[in-house]
Amino acid sequence: AQSVTQPDIHITVSEGASLELRCNYSYGATPYLFWYVQSPGQGLQLLLKYFSGDTLVQGIKGFEAEFKRSQSSFNLRKPSVHWSDAAEYFCAVGALEYGNKLVFGAGTILRVKS
Amino acid sequence: DVKVTQSSRYLVKRTGEKVFLECVQDMDHENMFWYRQDPGLGLRLIYFSYDVKMKEKGDIPEGYSVSREKKERFSLILESASTNQTSMYLCASSEPGQGYEKLFFGSGTQLSVL
Repeated sequence: AQSVTQPDIHITVSEGASLELRCNYSYGATPYLFWYVQSPGQGLQLLLKYFSGDTLVQGIKGFEAEFKRSQSSFNLRKPSVHWSDAAEYFCAVGALEYGNKLVFGAGTILRVKS
Repeated sequence: DVKVTQSSRYLVKRTGEKVFLECVQDMDHENMFWYRQDPGLGLRLIYFSYDVKMKEKGDIPEGYSVSREKKERFSLILESASTNQTSMYLCASSEPGQGYEKLFFGSGTQLSVL
């Protein structure tokens, strides 16, 4: 069965430092990959997505992610974190043969210290 | 902007009560989804719907049912609420043919079953 793993439950970084959030997936097919962000008290907002083509994708708010098929990974990165980036981040995976069903990871809570 | 509105932000119910969670979207989306979000488990799909009066089971449908009488409204029903259904419930919608390309989420309903 398909699964998504976000190994880090919590991450704390200093404001201005770089960030990488990890995501690994287990799928038998070519996956569609997403990162969503959830600010406190809010619903989820799409940061970026990968369907095909260039394996480095750019998203909103200065985020980017790289699809590495050999490692089954889709890690989220940001070169310089802002205090407003504190939120929970979810990686999600879908595949055409599984229809309109996304599988979400457990989430990573990002804390930013000043 | 797409708006997905969930009728209640917080809800407290007693064990055995029938509970209705309402979700309305204003962008004429055909696809609508109900997820529950639990710490450490991420989002899990309960039910989804491709069209009026259509519904499909997600990964955890037990104890839930849904109703989609109008395109813009998708209701989640807990027939007899139990304490293990205490959770955050998130509604989402997406455009036709793009089932999981971009989900638009509501702000969530935090349900407590006592």
